[in-house]
Amino acid sequence: SAVISQKPSRDICQRGTSLTIQCQVDSQVTMMFWYRQQPGQSLTLIATANQGSEATYESGFVIDKFPISRPNLTFSTLTVSNMSPEDSSIYLCSVGLSAGELFFGEGSRLTVL
Amino acid sequence: GENVEQHPSTLSVQEGDSAVIKCTYSDSASNYFPWYKQELGKRPQLIIDIRSNVGEKKDQRIAVTLNKTAKHFSLHITETQPEDSAVYFCAALTNFGNEKLTFGTGTRLTIIP
Repeated sequence: SAVISQKPSRDICQRGTSLTIQCQVDSQVTMMFWYRQQPGQSLTLIATANQGSEATYESGFVIDKFPISRPNLTFSTLTVSNMSPEDSSIYLCSVGLSAGELFFGEGSRLTVL
Repeated sequence: GENVEQHPSTLSVQEGDSAVIKCTYSDSASNYFPWYKQELGKRPQLIIDIRSNVGEKKDQRIAVTLNKTAKHFSLHITETQPEDSAVYFCAALTNFGNEKLTFGTGTRLTIIP
């Protein structure tokens, strides 16, 4: 497995502002992903964070709303832009270590007022 | 894309009894099927997985079975204990090479002492 550190662990934000979530891994990994988990719901993939290139977004998620950076093989950020109450959710960073095995960070619980 | 259905959404069993959670998938090319346990306020944690070349896998009190023909797989927990209470998610790996997991909707398992 890998040690995945996410911050902030939680935050309360005002409508219209933006928040950047950081994800740090203790080893170099090729595959990094960002998931969203709305209250009481399952995990939905937002995007694959590609090192050295633009992230690959899933249907329903766009770069302007969720810009992602991946400057190296151990670090990624997800920004939630121009937030609204509907963005209140847990955002999870995850890494893929071998064919399919996915490990998650502790998540960032975001509340938008 | 891949679609994963999971049943039941909630399950209550007496301590010591067995619990079974079932999932079906739509993409016959999917070849990796993990199960995650998420305790309240915690990250999802991988508890067991199975690949398409195997029909069954056990790890102490938990086991997973896979029927490729019917495109369904199941999680079996025997001799349940209070600490088994959690939400369980199944998943299927799609787009092999892109390592993208599609998750089921989750099962809230409650063990009754």
